[in-house]
Amino acid sequence: DTGVSQDPRHKITKRGQNVTFRCDPISEHNRLYWYRQTLGQGPEFLTYFQNEAQLEKSRLLSDRFSAERPKGSFSTLEIQRTEQGDSAMYLCASSLRSRLAATPGANVLTFGAGSRLTVL
Amino acid sequence: SQQGEEDPQALSIQEGENATMNCSYKTSINNLQWYRQNSGRGLVHLILIRSNEREKHSGRLRVTLDTSKKSSSLLITASRAADTASYFCATDEGGGFKTIFGAGTRLFVKA
Repeated sequence: DTGVSQDPRHKITKRGQNVTFRCDPISEHNRLYWYRQTLGQGPEFLTYFQNEAQLEKSRLLSDRFSAERPKGSFSTLEIQRTEQGDSAMYLCASSLRSRLAATPGANVLTFGAGSRLTVL
Repeated sequence: SQQGEEDPQALSIQEGENATMNCSYKTSINNLQWYRQNSGRGLVHLILIRSNEREKHSGRLRVTLDTSKKSSSLLITASRAADTASYFCATDEGGGFKTIFGAGTRLFVKA
C-alpha cells in the first residue's frame, strides 16, 4: 500500500457538466475526508466518513455535491452541473481511529496528491 | 469553515535563520497539528501536540501550545531552502474527528 490515491489528477470540464473524483485510502484506515483547496487558501472541510457512514457534511457542500463510500473502502465525490466557482483542488485524506486509550482524538491525516478541477 | 488563523500570512527568510509561525483557534481542542504543503502537492503531517502538552520537539521543529490563549506556534530552526512551503495548523473542532485547517503561512527560505 503506497498511500492515498486520487484519480484523476487533473480534470478540465465545461460548465454544466458532471464530474466524479475517486479516492482510494490507506487500506486499514477507517476514516476518509474530502477537502477543497483554492489557490492561496487552506483546505476547506467538505465531508468525512467513518467506514461507510457519512458523519458530517459542510454547508459548503451544496446539493450539487455528493460523496459516497460504499463498503467503507474507496470513496467518490461527484459534482453535478459544475460551475466556474467549483474550480479548485479536491483533496482526499484518510486516518485510522486509534484503539489506544492513551491517544484519544489523535486524528493524523494522510493526504493524497489531490484532483485539480478546472471548469471552463 | 476554518478554525485556525495563521500569522504571518507570508514569511521570507535567509537560509540558516529561524522561522516562527503562529496559529490561533476558536473552540476547545484535544490536540493541534501542523502540516506542510510543498508547491502543488498534498499535505504532509509534521507534528501533533496534545491539549495537555505545552511544548513538543521533533528534529528542527518546536511546537508550543497555550490553551488559555487558544494559540500555538511552530518554530523551524536553522531553516533550509527545502523548508520553502506552506504551513498549516489543524485542529479537531470541538474535540471530535472533524479536522479543520487554517489559511496557512507561506514560508520562503532564500539560499
